[in-house]
Amino acid sequence: AQSVTQPDIHITVSEGASLELRCNYSYGATPYLFWYVQSPGQGLQLLLKYFSGDTLVQGIKGFEAEFKRSQSSFNLRKPSVHWSDAAEYFCAVGPINTGGFKTIFGAGTRLFVKA
Amino acid sequence: GAGVSQTPSNKVTEKGKYVELRCDPISGHTALYWYRQSLGQGPEFLIYFQGTGAADDSGLPNDRFFAVRPEGSVSTLKIQRTERGDSAVYLCASSLRGHYNEQFFGPGTRLTVL
Repeated sequence: AQSVTQPDIHITVSEGASLELRCNYSYGATPYLFWYVQSPGQGLQLLLKYFSGDTLVQGIKGFEAEFKRSQSSFNLRKPSVHWSDAAEYFCAVGPINTGGFKTIFGAGTRLFVKA
Repeated sequence: GAGVSQTPSNKVTEKGKYVELRCDPISGHTALYWYRQSLGQGPEFLIYFQGTGAADDSGLPNDRFFAVRPEGSVSTLKIQRTERGDSAVYLCASSLRGHYNEQFFGPGTRLTVL
């Protein structure tokens, strides 16, 4: 069955330090991959997406992600974290090729930023 | 322009009651999605509309859940005979035609079933 795994429930990094959030997926075909961010009181916002082509994709707010087919991973990175990056981050895959349009989200990783 | 709006922002109801949750998508967005997000989990897909029709309702958990979008804009998620397990945040998202486009999410409706 298709699934998305975010192994880290929460991560704490110091402001200015680099960040990597892990995402692994299980999907039989070439996936469409997304990272969303959810800040307290805010709706989910798309950070970046991968459909095809260059496996390193750039997103908003200085985020990037790299698709690695051999590892079934799509890890999110940022070279220098800002306090405002504290939020919950969701990796997603979709649409699932079952003739439908389902998008599957991981359980999320909560990022804490310490001064 | 205005984003996706959802009403009410909070809904408290009693077990067994009927509830309706409303979603106003971004103007011009033909695709509309409903998700359910339980505490500590990611959004769980419920249903996808393209225009007025439900193109994929495979995520609806059972026949107590139903959604409509009669004019291809506003959508209503309807839950009959609510159960405590239905308590969650219900999210709506819209996008331009085609599910490959970015989904814009609303703030959600927090449903609590007592």
